[in-house]
Amino acid sequence: DAGITQSPRHKVTETGTPVTLRCHQTENHRYMYWYRQDPGHGLRLIHYSYGVKDTDKGEVSDGYSVSRSKTEDFLLTLESATSSQTSVYFCAIRPSGSGYEQYFGPGTRLTVT
Amino acid sequence: TQLLEQSPQFLSIQEGENLTVYCNSSSVFSSLQWYRQEPGEGPVLLVTVVTGGEVKKLKRLTFQFGDARKDSSLHITAAQPGDTGLYLCAGVEVTGFQKLVFGTGTRLLVSP
Repeated sequence: DAGITQSPRHKVTETGTPVTLRCHQTENHRYMYWYRQDPGHGLRLIHYSYGVKDTDKGEVSDGYSVSRSKTEDFLLTLESATSSQTSVYFCAIRPSGSGYEQYFGPGTRLTVT
Repeated sequence: TQLLEQSPQFLSIQEGENLTVYCNSSSVFSSLQWYRQEPGEGPVLLVTVVTGGEVKKLKRLTFQFGDARKDSSLHITAAQPGDTGLYLCAGVEVTGFQKLVFGTGTRLLVSP
């Protein structure tokens, strides 16, 4: 158990509304990641963070923003949700000094209607 | 963007059969990881292979990293229903922040 929680676990929202997903970790890991998982695509990186207030874009960052004001929390925001953002979102951490292995949270299933 | 293609995409077999899952790319990776994911849960790391040609065994699972570090395979001997799940390979980029590039996934169903 890597001490990662995600909230909410499920959410249904309407097109055009803002949505924020939260990832919380308890072990002060420096590196945190947000992925989305869609059938046939595996996991795709949205944004990542390498420290408080240090974030960067992944391969599918359009329409998403992130914030990390505390080591333990990494927030993913959909400023104006679209149906194409219906997906399962996973947060992950990477312990420093590891072989780049990542440990994942339980996921958030988001449906945009 | 680096890509990892997995094959097959879906595999349905009987308990006791053997199977191999392939993970291929035209890009070189510094290491490669295999994860298994069950419904409603996040992926769980199975193994990391680092050296070209490396072979690692985890009980009935055998993982191999290609000599050129562009591909990998997962072989399961005498599959059991507990092996059912989504198998994902993930390559570690050689440059930059060593981000993970995930494969497209192989969904395995092992029936009793």
